[in-house]
Amino acid sequence: EAEVAQSPRYKITEKSQAVAFWCDPISGHATLYWYRQILGQGPELLVQFQDESVVDDSQLPKDRFSAERLKGVDSTLKIQPAELGDSAMYLCASSLRSFSTDTQYFGPGTRLTVL
Amino acid sequence: QKEVEQDPGPLSVPEGAIVSLNCTYSNSAFQYFMWYRQYSRKGPELLMYTYSSGNKEDGRFTAQVDKSSKYISLFIRDSQPSDSATYLCAMKGDYKLSFGAGTTVTVRA
Repeated sequence: EAEVAQSPRYKITEKSQAVAFWCDPISGHATLYWYRQILGQGPELLVQFQDESVVDDSQLPKDRFSAERLKGVDSTLKIQPAELGDSAMYLCASSLRSFSTDTQYFGPGTRLTVL
Repeated sequence: QKEVEQDPGPLSVPEGAIVSLNCTYSNSAFQYFMWYRQYSRKGPELLMYTYSSGNKEDGRFTAQVDKSSKYISLFIRDSQPSDSATYLCAMKGDYKLSFGAGTTVTVRA
């Protein structure tokens, strides 16, 4: 069964350092999402891509976060510099398209700890 | 006020009991309703997907939607220790998924 792949699974960094997360969506899925899930809360959308274009990045803290999906396949989310409040699980999801009826499939996530 | 409200629990039940989970929402534009299950340190996995008021059954799981009351529920019958997880409700109107905070469920053997 096809799955969304993410790496690394865990990342510990010190504040002010740069971190990067990678996501490989299910093959053929045009839509890719990055979510942040703080402990005890539900995931919140950071950015959504349709192919290589950003559809929604309204909740992405653009002063320190960036995301790209250059060839419309895999994607990288970067934080620079990391802050203590960035400690969370970063989830990547993909769907066939961006229609309301399309199911989003989630990867295992990257757990970030900022010291 | 959050768009989606979900009691975080935790909820502890004996094996074989019925687990009842629910969420309320405020956005009338929500038309599609989902329940995700999330095991510790894993990503959410889709359990149930409904888009109309009423009940939908899948094995031991029943999802219920009441759009007039803006209230959705998930029932787990004959609960098993393997059902121990966090259950997230999620809903959307167009493409953006809004999640509840999740309810942590423990099924005791």
